[in-house]
Amino acid sequence: DGGITQSPKYLFRKEGQNVTLSCEQNLNHDAMYWYRQDPGQGLRLIYYSQIVNDFQKGDIAEGYSVSREKKESFPLTVTSAQKNPTAFYLCASSAGQLSSGNTIYFGEGSWLTVV
Amino acid sequence: QQQVKQSPQSLIVQKGGISIINCAYENTAFDYFPWYQQFPGKGPALLIAIRPDVSEKKEGRFTISFNKSAKQFSLHIMDSQPGDSATYFCAARRISSGSARQLTFGSGTQLTVLP
Repeated sequence: DGGITQSPKYLFRKEGQNVTLSCEQNLNHDAMYWYRQDPGQGLRLIYYSQIVNDFQKGDIAEGYSVSREKKESFPLTVTSAQKNPTAFYLCASSAGQLSSGNTIYFGEGSWLTVV
Repeated sequence: QQQVKQSPQSLIVQKGGISIINCAYENTAFDYFPWYQQFPGKGPALLIAIRPDVSEKKEGRFTISFNKSAKQFSLHIMDSQPGDSATYFCAARRISSGSARQLTFGSGTQLTVLP
């Protein structure tokens, strides 16, 4: 089945640790995105990538890093610099730049909790 | 800075009733307005979308009404069913740096349809 796979589903991080969330898509989509979801705040864009080896900061990039070495993969690293990392993280992709013909598809998300 | 304001935060409707969720925006550079449906523990999925040159779009029991002059749009769910219970997000597409169109999401509405 074509889709977006995020792993792990649940992750616990100790203070001061970096963690990496995996996102893989087999939809052959060019663009990939990372969103953060907090209660009552909707989805906020962390980073996006329109093409391999290129990515751009979104609205809340501080404390996060990404890479796009392969078309199908867009991992997100939550660094120790992110002061409030506990959240639900959503990876998404689209066939190209978002337009009326290009729908954005989401993965099932990863829960990150700082302990 | 939230550019899309969504209300209400939560909504309880009886089975068979009409659910109405409202969104308002400020940025006139938005040019596409999708609605997403999210079930617990899952990623959002596109439900229905509208462009600003259309005042209404209907797909089955779901209708978007769009008021360009007021910068408002709303989702109407007719004959609401318990299976419609989910969180609904409105969104607006904007042109960000590099001409990559991105989505700005509302804060979400948690809909509960009572049997």
